[in-house]
Amino acid sequence: DAGITQSPRYKITETGRQVTLMCHQTWSHSYMFWYRQDLGHGLRLIYYSAAADITDKGEVPDGYVVSRSKTENFPLTLESATRSQTSVYFCASSVEGNQPQHFGDGTRLSIL
Amino acid sequence: AQSVTQPDIHITVSEGASLELRCNYSYGATPYLFWYVQSPGQGLQLLLKYFSGDTLVQGIKGFEAEFKRSQSSFNLRKPSVHWSDAAEYFCAVGPVPNQGGKLIFGQGTELSVKP
Repeated sequence: DAGITQSPRYKITETGRQVTLMCHQTWSHSYMFWYRQDLGHGLRLIYYSAAADITDKGEVPDGYVVSRSKTENFPLTLESATRSQTSVYFCASSVEGNQPQHFGDGTRLSIL
Repeated sequence: AQSVTQPDIHITVSEGASLELRCNYSYGATPYLFWYVQSPGQGLQLLLKYFSGDTLVQGIKGFEAEFKRSQSSFNLRKPSVHWSDAAEYFCAVGPVPNQGGKLIFGQGTELSVKP
C-alpha cells in the first residue's frame, strides 16, 4: 500500500546500545522529517531532509544521526541510547516544504 | 519567534454538543496553518489547512476552522461532536523560514466525549 511506514512499531533496548528507526514513504515526497513526542513537550523536530543527501538539524538533534541516500528512506539512528531518548518517534513527509506533512504511525521506543 | 499556543490542555464535551478548540499563533509573515488529529497509538492525520483565500476552511470529518488575522487565531470547530472524535488535536503553523518546511506544533488539546 502507498503511504509512509515506520518500523519497528515498538522497541525496547538498553542504554548505550545503537538503535535505528526506519521510515519509508512511497509517494516520492522530497521532504522528510523526524519528530519525537513527549508529554509536556508536544512534537519536537529532530532532523529533516529536503531531498536525498540533504539533511539538517531541527530543535533537538543531539544524540541522533540521520541519512538519506534514497528519496524514499530516512532512517534515524541513536548512536548510544540514553534513557532521556525514551519517546514516541514520528516520521513525516511532504511533497514540498510548505505543504502538509503526512505522518507515520510512530515507533514507541523504551530505553532501560 | 514563531510559536503556537493551544490554551486548553483537556476539554470534555457531551456527544452532540458543539466544539471549539482554540489556537493562537505568533508568526512574522502570512502563515500556513494546520490542524491535525491523533488517535491513541496512531500518527497525526491532517484535518484541514489554511494557505490563503477564504478564511473559513472546511476539513474532513465535519470540522472547520476560521483564520482571524487580527486575533492571530485559527480555532477549530465542529457543530456536533461524535464519540469517535475523542482524540488529541494539534494546531501547527509554518513553514519556518529557512528551516526546510519545519512546522511549529502546539502542545495539543485532548478531547474527551461524554455519552
